[in-house]
Parts: sequence; C-alpha cells; structure tokens
Amino acid sequence: ETGVTQTPRHLVMGMTNKKSLKCEQHLGHNAMYWYKQSAKKPLELMFVYNFKEQTENNSVPSRFSPECPNSSHLFLHLHTLQPEDSALYLCASSQELTGGTQYFGPGTRLLVL
Amino acid sequence: DQQVKQNSPSLSVQEGRISILNCDYTNSMFDYFLWYKKYPAEGPTFLISISSIKDKNEDGRFTVFLNKSAKHLSLHIVPSQPGDSAVYFCAASDYTSGTYKYIFGTGTRLKVLA
Repeated sequence: ETGVTQTPRHLVMGMTNKKSLKCEQHLGHNAMYWYKQSAKKPLELMFVYNFKEQTENNSVPSRFSPECPNSSHLFLHLHTLQPEDSALYLCASSQELTGGTQYFGPGTRLLVL
Repeated sequence: DQQVKQNSPSLSVQEGRISILNCDYTNSMFDYFLWYKKYPAEGPTFLISISSIKDKNEDGRFTVFLNKSAKHLSLHIVPSQPGDSAVYFCAASDYTSGTYKYIFGTGTRLKVLA
C-alpha cells in the first residue's frame, strides 16, 4: 500500500452508535490531520497531530475523539453523532508540520441517520 | 466569513482550449498558495503551488498566477484534456508565520468536453 489510506470508505450509523474511522499513511510523514468536508463548504481542519502529539483541536465537539498511536496511524472515534455531522472525512499527512504539501486519503463518506 | 473564495462552482471548457480557474482571498498575510485536484471517490491530490515572492509558477500544462495587490490567484490549464475534469480547490496559508493551517476554498468543478 502506498500513500494515505482510509477505512471504511463509506459508513452509515445511527445517532446512538459508536464507530471509528481509520487512517494510515505509508509516506514516513510526521504530521497527520483530520478534515471535514460538508456539502458546498470548504474543507474544515478538525485535528492535527505532530509526532503523535495533538497540536490542534479546532473547536471540534467532544463527540469526535481522535487517537494517534504512532506517526503512521490516526483514528477518529465517533460517538452519539448528529445528522449534521454527515460529511466526507478526509485524513491527510505531511512531512513536517509547518507548511509543505499535505497528502490526502480518499476519505470516508459518513451518513448519520 | 470565508477567507478563500472560489466564486465559480462550475466551469465547462472544450477539449484543447484553456481552462481558467479563479480564487480570491481576503487575508493579506497569506503568502503560500496551493491548488488541489479531486476526482470523485478520491482524496484531493496536490497539483501546483506558488509562494508570494513569485507571480507565476509553471508545471507542464498547469500555470498558477498570483496577483498580490488584487488578492487573486488563477490556475490555467492549457490545453485542457477530458482527464482534467475534476473539482479544483485552492488553499492558502500564512507560511512565514510557521502555521500549518491551510484555508481551503469551496472548489470549482471543471468539465472538459471532448
């Protein structure tokens, strides 16, 4: 596997469910990111990790809980989501935290019923 | 308030002609800009970047122009090919301040007609 992979690609969940999104990067990068893309809105940065340490929580509700066990893996744990949380969730990585190109995974399309 | 705006949600261009995608920004501190391309069911892929010390950067068929006084950048694709049909996002950051945050536009869907 090369690049940035995300699983699952599609997810449908009820508001009381607990699920997790997984991201893995095979690029040897040190920084990883979660973005949310809602319809007709720009990509919104949610969380940033650098060398496994969280450096940014962009005022994200606590029903989204990130986890970064190592520089290659990033999870987004979901709990009691709302229908308005339905969106495309994109993971990205970059070599360094400051500047540079971010490489994106294919995203997880989430639908909350 | 959106700091990066792509005012054209869609654009159709004939194969072989020039595609021009536009992006406007409001924050004068932005000094590094990127364009990403996104195909359906795939994540955005990096296309080309430009820093504010330049007003033009070229890579094959793709050229990005930056007009700092107008706070405007544009992506030119020439000649356009059907495989260029995708959504194009511009993104901006205040690179010299050391920030890693990119502010993205809402995207422009380009359709290149064969």
